[in-house]
Amino acid sequence: GDSVTQMEGPVTLSEEAFLTINCTYTATGYPSLFWYVQYPGEGLQLLLKATKADDKGSNKGFEATYRKETTSFHLEKGSVQVSDSAVYFCALSDLMGSTSYGKLTFGQGTILTVHP
Amino acid sequence: DAGVTQSPTHLIKTRGQQVTLRCSPKSGHDTVSWYQQALGQGPQFIFQYYEEEERQRGNFPDRFSGHQFPNYSSELNVNALLLGDSALYLCASSLEGNRFSLHFGNGTRLTVT
Repeated sequence: GDSVTQMEGPVTLSEEAFLTINCTYTATGYPSLFWYVQYPGEGLQLLLKATKADDKGSNKGFEATYRKETTSFHLEKGSVQVSDSAVYFCALSDLMGSTSYGKLTFGQGTILTVHP
Repeated sequence: DAGVTQSPTHLIKTRGQQVTLRCSPKSGHDTVSWYQQALGQGPQFIFQYYEEEERQRGNFPDRFSGHQFPNYSSELNVNALLLGDSALYLCASSLEGNRFSLHFGNGTRLTVT
């Protein structure tokens, strides 16, 4: 079945540092890929998405590129802020599948803490 | 415009009891999905409701059941609670035909003692 693997956390960075959170996936079809963010006490929010190979999703300075050859969707940001502290989840969904109906398969999440 | 609302926010139950969690989808959305998020883990798909029918189900036992009402709101019921059912239960809504746009509620924290 489908699965998503994220890098082990937590990740602790100083403000303005470069961020990479690795994500690899296994899927039988042609999934769409997502990054969700969860701030303390809140639900999940969609951060960015990519629907086909070589697509780059971007939002709020974060970006990730859909790499079919390496089955990866790594999240990057050039300069993190304290307000980026949150839990980040990589996810996939076979949205084009006839019986998927948009079910999301999530990775285990990566806790990011950014210090001033 | 209210987003996805879930109630209650927190709940404590005893092993063997039954619980009902509620979800109101974002205005205009007609599809509701439920996820279980254990502590330190990613959410896991429980099931999805559309047109008042369960149309997809994850790997969860029959103790987990649900319902969708004509106004698109939904309930998640869990019978014979186990300690392992302690988790954050997330509701997500979307509009059929726009599956990329999934909106999550803040969840219900269920503790089973």
